[in-house]
Amino acid sequence: QQQVKQSPQSLIVQKGGISIINCAYENTAFDYFPWYQQFPGKGPALLIAIRPDVSEKKEGRFTISFNKSAKQFSLHIMDSQPGDSATYFCAASITGGFKTIFGAGTRLFVKA
Amino acid sequence: ETGVTQSPTHLIKTRGQQVTLRCSSQSGHNTVSWYQQALGQGPQFIFQYYREEENGRGNFPPRFSGLQFPNYSSELNVNALELDDSALYLCASSDRQGAGTDTQYFGPGTRLTVL
Repeated sequence: QQQVKQSPQSLIVQKGGISIINCAYENTAFDYFPWYQQFPGKGPALLIAIRPDVSEKKEGRFTISFNKSAKQFSLHIMDSQPGDSATYFCAASITGGFKTIFGAGTRLFVKA
Repeated sequence: ETGVTQSPTHLIKTRGQQVTLRCSSQSGHNTVSWYQQALGQGPQFIFQYYREEENGRGNFPPRFSGLQFPNYSSELNVNALELDDSALYLCASSDRQGAGTDTQYFGPGTRLTVL
C-alpha cells in the first residue's frame, strides 16, 4: 500500500517530442506528489509537484496530470531536449508525515 | 542561501567496519531526512530528524542510526557494514512548520562502497 509504481523503466524520445512517464499509487492518504530529476552523480532535484485538489499543473515544458479516482499521475515533458536526458522519479507523501515514497525511476534519453 | 552539502563524496569501507556520513542542511531548514539509493533504484527512506529528535523511521535495522545537531546539520552512522550497504546515501532538508511541509531539497549524496 506504500508503493508507488512507475513506468516505463526507460524511454527514448526524439528531440522535440513529448516524453510521458506514468505513476500509480495505492494509499489514498497521499496528498503531495512531486517529480524529481536526477543526473548521474547528483542528488535528485525537485522538478514540479502537485496536490490532489487540481487535475493538472504546468511549469514551462513540464506538466503533471493527476487522476485522483484512478490513483494515477503522469509527467509530460513537451519539446524534449537532449539536456532533459536524466532519470526521473515520481514520489508521494502525506502532509505532516515524515517520509516520501519514491518510484523506481525512468531513465530518459532524448536523441538529438 | 546555501544548498544541502554532504561529506565525504566517496567512501570505501570493508565489511564489519563502521561509517559516519555528514550533511549540512539548507539555510533556514530544520528537518533532515536520509535516504539510501541503490544502483538503478529510487531512494529508500531511512529516517528523519526534526529539531534534534528522530521523527520517523523506514524499514532499516538499528545499526543505521543518526544525529541532528543544534545547527540542524546531521550525521548518519552505519555499524557492522554489509556488502548490501553499498549505495548512494542522500540527505534532504526541508523547513517543517508545525503541520509539516513536503518540499525536500537533496544534497549530492555520498557514494559508499563496501568491500
